[in-house]
Amino acid sequence: SQTIHQWPATLVQPVGSPLSLECTVEGTSNPNLYWYRQAAGRGLQLLFYSVGIGQISSEVPQNLSASRPQDRQFILSSKKLLLSDSGFYLCAWIGDRGYGYTFGSGTRLTVV
Amino acid sequence: AQSVTQLGSHVSVSEGALVLLRCNYSSSVPPYLFWYVQYPNQGLQLLLKYTTGATLVKGINGFEAEFKKSETSFHLTKPSAHMSDAAEYFCAVSGKSGTSYGKLTFGQGTILTVHP
Repeated sequence: SQTIHQWPATLVQPVGSPLSLECTVEGTSNPNLYWYRQAAGRGLQLLFYSVGIGQISSEVPQNLSASRPQDRQFILSSKKLLLSDSGFYLCAWIGDRGYGYTFGSGTRLTVV
Repeated sequence: AQSVTQLGSHVSVSEGALVLLRCNYSSSVPPYLFWYVQYPNQGLQLLLKYTTGATLVKGINGFEAEFKKSETSFHLTKPSAHMSDAAEYFCAVSGKSGTSYGKLTFGQGTILTVHP
């Protein structure tokens, strides 16, 4: 069966520090992968998506970047965190038919 | 372009009462429609989805939703609320083709409270 792993579950980082959130998928190959952010009191916003190794599309210009070094690995990064980067970050993958997202359990990031 | 509007950021019902969470969408291409549930500090769990075929879709935990193209709606219902249904619910749309393929656009969410 397909599973998706995200870590860490929670993270508290000072302003200006770097960030690396990792997402891995098991049980599938060549998945479409997505990073979403959920800010407090707001809906989910698509940040990045990737259709293959090294292929990254950015939906919203911001302080973050993403990379896909392996087929089933998706990384969200920042060189210098801002207060506004706080939120709940969710990784998701989608099957071949283009629907039926499966979400990871999320990372709660608090920038202080 | 796609968008989703969830009417009511908070809905409160009594245990055993009907649950109705409203969702209207707009999409320039035929849509896929979804309802997700989120419990505190957890990821999103798929409740149900409409892709094609029957417009009344049944999901997990007794929920169902009806795709009404003429009304551009996909309202979520459950005949009898349980305390365990208390959570935040998100409606989402993606396109079957074009630039919106595979990208979910979410509504702002509706927090469901269930009173004993």
